[in-house]
Amino acid sequence: AQTVTQSQPEMSVQEAETVTLSCTYDTSESDYYLFWYKQPPSRQMILVIRQEAYKQQNATENRFSVNFQKAAKSFSLKISDSQLGDAAMYFCAYRSAGSGKTSYDKVIFGPGTSLSVIP
Amino acid sequence: DGGITQSPKYLFRKEGQNVTLSCEQNLNHDAMYWYRQDPGQGLRLIYYSQIVNDFQKGDIAEGYSVSREKKESFPLTVTSAQKNPTAFYLCASSIGWGTAYEQYFGPGTRLTVT
Repeated sequence: AQTVTQSQPEMSVQEAETVTLSCTYDTSESDYYLFWYKQPPSRQMILVIRQEAYKQQNATENRFSVNFQKAAKSFSLKISDSQLGDAAMYFCAYRSAGSGKTSYDKVIFGPGTSLSVIP
Repeated sequence: DGGITQSPKYLFRKEGQNVTLSCEQNLNHDAMYWYRQDPGQGLRLIYYSQIVNDFQKGDIAEGYSVSREKKESFPLTVTSAQKNPTAFYLCASSIGWGTAYEQYFGPGTRLTVT
C-alpha cells in the first residue's frame, strides 16, 4: 500500500525568506501524481502545485516550486519570498494514475506540516 | 460560481443519534469523496464515489454510510456505531479517473458529539 510521510510537523520561516517542506512517499507504481495542498486557518483546502510522475521537469507555480526525485521517492515543496498569507498547514498527497475504471482511485495524504511565517 | 458546499459549518449532536452531513457540488464532477480530519492529523478517507449509484469504502468506513443518488450530491451519515464521531469532515470532488486533476474541497463541517 502507498504511504506518504511528512517528517516535519512544524516549520517556521522569516517573511521574505525561503523554506522547503519535505515529503516522501512509498509506492510500487510507476505512474502517479503528486500534489501539495494548503489548508489555512479557514480550513479550506487549496491546491498549491501538482507533479506528474512521468515528467522529469519540476513543477513551478509563481513562488512555489517542487523538487521531485522519483528514484528517491521524494517530493519537497519550496516556498520563495514567504508571505504572511503562506502560514498554513501543508499536505503532500499521492494519487495513483490507475489503470481503468476498476482501479482504486485513492488519494493518500501525509500528516501535514504546519508552517508559521514570522514578520 | 462553481464549487462545493457543505452544510452546516458546525453541527452538534447527542451521543446515540445519527446525523447526516450534506455535500453538494455544481462542478459536474463524477468523483466525490468524504474525509475525516482529526487535530494534528492528515485526511483519512471515509467513502468515495466514482459515479452515481456507486460508492466504495475508504480506510475508516466503519460507523459511516453514504448514498449517491444524484451526481451533485453525496451525503454522509454518521451513525451511532461510530465510536469517536467528533471531528472535522471534508467533502471533495474531482474530474477524471486516475488523472492529474486535483480534488476540489468544500469548506468542511465541524461535528461535535456529546
